[in-house]
Amino acid sequence: DVKVTQSSRYLVKRTGEKVFLECVQDMDHENMFWYRQDPGLGLRLIYFSYDVKMKEKGDIPEGYSVSREKKERFSLILESASTNQTSMYLCASRDHGTANSPLHFGNGTRLTVT
Amino acid sequence: LAKTTQPISMDSYEGQEVNITCSHNNIATNDYITWYQQFPSQGPRFIIQGYKTKVTNEVASLFIPADRKSSTLSLPRVSLSDTAVYYCLVALNSGNTPLVFGKGTRLSVIA
Repeated sequence: DVKVTQSSRYLVKRTGEKVFLECVQDMDHENMFWYRQDPGLGLRLIYFSYDVKMKEKGDIPEGYSVSREKKERFSLILESASTNQTSMYLCASRDHGTANSPLHFGNGTRLTVT
Repeated sequence: LAKTTQPISMDSYEGQEVNITCSHNNIATNDYITWYQQFPSQGPRFIIQGYKTKVTNEVASLFIPADRKSSTLSLPRVSLSDTAVYYCLVALNSGNTPLVFGKGTRLSVIA
């Protein structure tokens, strides 16, 4: 089974702090994604990466950056955390070379910015 | 990218069949339709996927009409444990594609 592991389940940070959310997958997947989930808004795509050192903006990239130095790891960075970034963050990966490959999600990091 | 529209919420009693429809009017020729299920405090998980007609697995069935502008997820004889949010995703399912979800349907199963 594919495993997508997010380093923290819960995180509390202060406004203005630099925050790193880490995600690791163990299936050599090329594609990795970061979403945030808020009540009533569903899953919104922040950034995705289709290979090492590659990144593309999703629908809501403002206030975020990402890093993909190794294939298995995709980091989401909040350069200066703000209270409106309090949310559930979900990482996912997918094998782009296999037809119809579904997304595999981690269990999320609930970030609170105070 | 194909935009999807689903009902925000649905209620059902245990033992009933539940059908959740997703509209995707601008689906592209090479797009696939995939459904995910999300329980509280967990990430979404894959349920079923299809391109056209009908697909069935041990969890659900997926009905896709000939024009592919909508799809219906069918859950037979739901139980309390089927209470979850269900997402429909329409996207080219290979290559380097941003995968954009809609807002999902919150299904509540009542005893």
